[in-house]
Amino acid sequence: GQNIDQPTEMTATEGAIVQINCTYQTSGFNGLFWYQQHAGEAPTFLSYNVLDGLEEKGRFSSFLSRSKGYSYLLLKELQMKDSASYLCAVRDGSASGGSYIPTFGRGTSLIVHP
Amino acid sequence: DAGVTQSPTHLIKTRGQQVTLRCSPKSGHDTVSWYQQALGQGPQFIFQYYEEEERQRGNFPDRFSGHQFPNYSSELNVNALLLGDSALYLCASSPRTMGGETQYFGPGTRLLVL
Repeated sequence: GQNIDQPTEMTATEGAIVQINCTYQTSGFNGLFWYQQHAGEAPTFLSYNVLDGLEEKGRFSSFLSRSKGYSYLLLKELQMKDSASYLCAVRDGSASGGSYIPTFGRGTSLIVHP
Repeated sequence: DAGVTQSPTHLIKTRGQQVTLRCSPKSGHDTVSWYQQALGQGPQFIFQYYEEEERQRGNFPDRFSGHQFPNYSSELNVNALLLGDSALYLCASSPRTMGGETQYFGPGTRLLVL
């Protein structure tokens, strides 16, 4: 199975940049997802990384290092509406038991203040 | 194009009762996964259905069962409810390929067991 670790809570100022880290352990890595979840709502897809490097999508970017079992989500020009939980999820596709079902971390609650 | 829909949005039950939750996948998706999300936690995988059969299952007891219909919609049934079953139940749909396709989540059903 996977062990996924991300900070429980982070705070940042409107207009600033914040980096949310995620570390994981898996036997057969097959992709890493980031989701945003506002309180009481469903997770919404932000990004998918399967190869090393940085994927940029507007104000949000996601980075992956498979050798280090590490990813981060970078949010630029923070807005109040970015206050939400950010979920890191890892998919294990190993033949020994991988299921292609992503396993989610507990999420990082981001609070953006004025 | 409707996304993933779930019903009901909220539900209150008492211990020992049974509950059925429903999900309609996004148009073009034939695979449905169910997750349980307790407060402050990430979603936990319950099971996945495609071609009307349970294909993969997470670490949940047999009290949790499901069904998929020919139109790809799905039901989650929970018998003998426990207080600990109180959670947000999320349905996610995806196309049945093993590539980088992501899952799209419905709005969830919030279940409270008293």
